[in-house]
Amino acid sequence: AQSVAQPEDQVNVAEGNPLTVKCTYSVSGNPYLFWYVQYPNRGLQFLLKYITGDNLVKGSYGFEAEFNKSQTSFHLKKPSALVSDSALYFCAVRAGKSTFGDGTTLTVKP
Amino acid sequence: SAVISQKPSRDICQRGTSLTIQCQVDSQVTMMFWYRQQPGQSLTLIATANQGSEATYESGFVIDKFPISRPNLTFSTLTVSNLSPEDSSIYLCSVETGVVYEQYFGPGTRLTVT
Repeated sequence: AQSVAQPEDQVNVAEGNPLTVKCTYSVSGNPYLFWYVQYPNRGLQFLLKYITGDNLVKGSYGFEAEFNKSQTSFHLKKPSALVSDSALYFCAVRAGKSTFGDGTTLTVKP
Repeated sequence: SAVISQKPSRDICQRGTSLTIQCQVDSQVTMMFWYRQQPGQSLTLIATANQGSEATYESGFVIDKFPISRPNLTFSTLTVSNLSPEDSSIYLCSVETGVVYEQYFGPGTRLTVT
């Protein structure tokens, strides 16, 4: 069975500081990993994915994520946070079907 | 990418009635999914809807309660039957495009059962 863990319910950062939203996964075989973002009162939006290749993947809105096979992690990062990045972030793993983490609420304060 | 619309955006229904949610996609897609999400919480997959075949339901979800139609490659409906307050939730339609496993989501339907 596949699973995703987002160990932090909430992440708070100051605008301009780097941010990290953590995700670890468990899956048999090669993982397909994704990050999605959900802004208030809106549907989920695809941010980025790791399928194969370079461990550092870049996505929308300046976000990137680093795949670490030995640590089974896929942390979402951004060098300089914006207030507009405040949202709910979901990590997901795909093996047959998608399994989503419980989500991490990111709050960026001015 | 894909643009997905859902109708209605929200509804308040009485216990024992049913609500049908429509999902329209701007392009032909093979895989369509229906999820349930409590506000601020994770997504729970209800079923996968494939055109021309019966939907595949996840554990805990049954066709009598959540009948799904998929008449073509751009449209699907989810009906939530015999409503109870426990069915109050946000229902999301999602599609998978030809790009490897990327999913796109509709804006959701917020259902409140009184």
